[in-house]
Amino acid sequence: DGGITQSPKYLFRKEGQNVTLSCEQNLNHDAMYWYRQDPGQGLRLIYYSQIVNDFQKGDIAEGYSVSREKKESFPLTVTSAQKNPTAFYLCASSIVRGSPLHFGNGTRLTVT
Amino acid sequence: KNEVEQSPQNLTAQEGEFITINCSYSVGISALHWLQQHPGGGIVSLFMLSSGKKKHGRLIATINIQEKHSSLHITASHPRDSAVYICAALIQGAQKLVFGQGTRLTINP
Repeated sequence: DGGITQSPKYLFRKEGQNVTLSCEQNLNHDAMYWYRQDPGQGLRLIYYSQIVNDFQKGDIAEGYSVSREKKESFPLTVTSAQKNPTAFYLCASSIVRGSPLHFGNGTRLTVT
Repeated sequence: KNEVEQSPQNLTAQEGEFITINCSYSVGISALHWLQQHPGGGIVSLFMLSSGKKKHGRLIATINIQEKHSSLHITASHPRDSAVYICAALIQGAQKLVFGQGTRLTINP
């Protein structure tokens, strides 16, 4: 079955360490996205990519970095520059930007 | 004020009740999504609509473009419908999704 796989489900890191969240899709979608979810707030876009080797900043890109070297993969690195990294991170994909989204199951990151 | 507002924030009902969740938006949109997030965190897309009404099983989504309002209805609600329901507006031209804060629905047996 096609879908999006995020790993790991839970991640714990010490403050000051970079951490990379994995997102893989086998839906053959061109567009991929990273969202952050905080309690009581709507999802906020961190980065998106419409095609391989291209990505754009979303609304809250500061302290994050991404790469899109393969169509299937869109890893997100949370750097030590991100002031409040503890959150639930969701990866999504769509055929093209604007078409219905398919979401992964998310990664809950806790930084202490 | 958020561009996309949902109401209510929390809703508790008894099994079998008819459920309505509302979504209002203040910008021009090309489509509106309804999403369901289960306790584990994964999100499933329920509907994408730009006019009228869509139905899937016990779920019905409607949108009124003139009034900038959409509703998600659940008929004959069941405890397995308990989840957070999120609406997201696709901003016209920008192709950007703006999400509501979500409505937490709890259906008691």
